[in-house]
Amino acid sequence: QVQLQQSGPGLVKPSQTLSLTCAISGDSVSSNSAAWNWIRQSPSRGLEWLGRTYYKSEWYHDYAVSVQSRITINPDTSKNQFSLHLNSVTPEDTAIYYCAREELGITYYLDYWGQGTLVTVSS
Amino acid sequence: DIQMTQSPSSLSASVGDRVTITCRASQSISSYLNWYQQKPGKAPKLLIYAASSLQSGVPSRFSGSGSGTDFTLTISSLQPEDFATYYCQQSYGAPFTFGPGTKVDIK
Repeated sequence: QVQLQQSGPGLVKPSQTLSLTCAISGDSVSSNSAAWNWIRQSPSRGLEWLGRTYYKSEWYHDYAVSVQSRITINPDTSKNQFSLHLNSVTPEDTAIYYCAREELGITYYLDYWGQGTLVTVSS
Repeated sequence: DIQMTQSPSSLSASVGDRVTITCRASQSISSYLNWYQQKPGKAPKLLIYAASSLQSGVPSRFSGSGSGTDFTLTISSLQPEDFATYYCQQSYGAPFTFGPGTKVDIK
């Protein structure tokens, strides 16, 4: 059974960097059949996919255009986890952030999710 | 980006009712369409993947259909635990966009 455990601060100041970590159990961040995603949810934007990282002989990253200039998603193979870094945050980045596993096969879907982290951007 | 729309945005129904939710994509996405259920304070839960495949452990009263641009989620007999918000999501290509959701509440 795959489990994803999120950690990170719930309050970030404007212009600073939002950093969250998602620890994986029951699977590997280096799996060839999974991708590791970050999604956020807010009343104004709904569910918004932010990006993913996955390994297929080398590491790949896909990012949403809306945050592409500010986002980094990094795998950490030594700790079997992955992280989200979103810099230059504004109050618009206030949301519940989720990590999720994406099954990579003939089709693609988000089958395991973290518990969610409410991140508030405020001074 | 592929835009996803859902209808209705909300509905009221009774236990035992048959419920149908529609999702439409702004371009053809073949069968790369997933459905999720979300309850307050919880992460979304995968119900249906590839338009019509039931995720393991999900009750058979949930079913999905469609391909191309038009998709449907059906709950054959609504149960008390089904009152929630339902989202469609396309996995045809990044960014993997979600619909705005359909809230199902008690009539």
